[in-house]
Amino acid sequence: DADVTQTPRNRITKTGKRIMLECSQTKGHDRMYWYRQDPGLGLRLIYYSFDVKDINKGEISDGYSVSRQAQAKFSLSLESAIPNQTALYFCATSDLDFQETQYFGPGTRLLVL
Amino acid sequence: AQTVTQSQPEMSVQEAETVTLSCTYDTSENNYYLFWYKQPPSRQMILVIRQEAYKQQNATENRFSVNFQKAAKSFSLKISDSQLGDTAMYFCAFSEINTDKLIFGTGTRLQVFP
Repeated sequence: DADVTQTPRNRITKTGKRIMLECSQTKGHDRMYWYRQDPGLGLRLIYYSFDVKDINKGEISDGYSVSRQAQAKFSLSLESAIPNQTALYFCATSDLDFQETQYFGPGTRLLVL
Repeated sequence: AQTVTQSQPEMSVQEAETVTLSCTYDTSENNYYLFWYKQPPSRQMILVIRQEAYKQQNATENRFSVNFQKAAKSFSLKISDSQLGDTAMYFCAFSEINTDKLIFGTGTRLQVFP
């Protein structure tokens, strides 16, 4: 079984709709992250969380919100989706004792029409 | 601000040959970490290799090794005995000590030909 899972794997939605991407991990890691990948731009950090009570904005947080429901679950929401949020979204985790190494989920491909 | 540059958008290599992917970075920090991640067509981001800046010895993982030149701020990845399964996008990434921010390069697309 995968250590970091993301649901859904693919999603098509319309402009203005609210959408939630979910991430779960069985690695027992405290730290979780959401990234966005656009062609030619690499990965960029949206939000990260050190634990269930700690949420931090990343490089490109505008238009997104997150929820850390438990140590193992970290959700990303687009309150009102827009076409330029079409991208590949990755969740990642890291261990407090080895925090610089991040382990990624399989990604969610989102298309906003 | 830290930046990571991968100047080779695409590379190709024949099976069983050796290929080197380039990465340079910019930082004023003395201690940090560097990574190479692989992204095959399945989209999964897979950690290939990790290097601590305070270690002079270059990291090695089976067929993958790095050439870490700290003074030149260079971190290249060498893939020996290339296999068809090595076909993927390869991303170089940088992280300062005790931060949670991975800075990624724009990637190099590697194609391994039979």
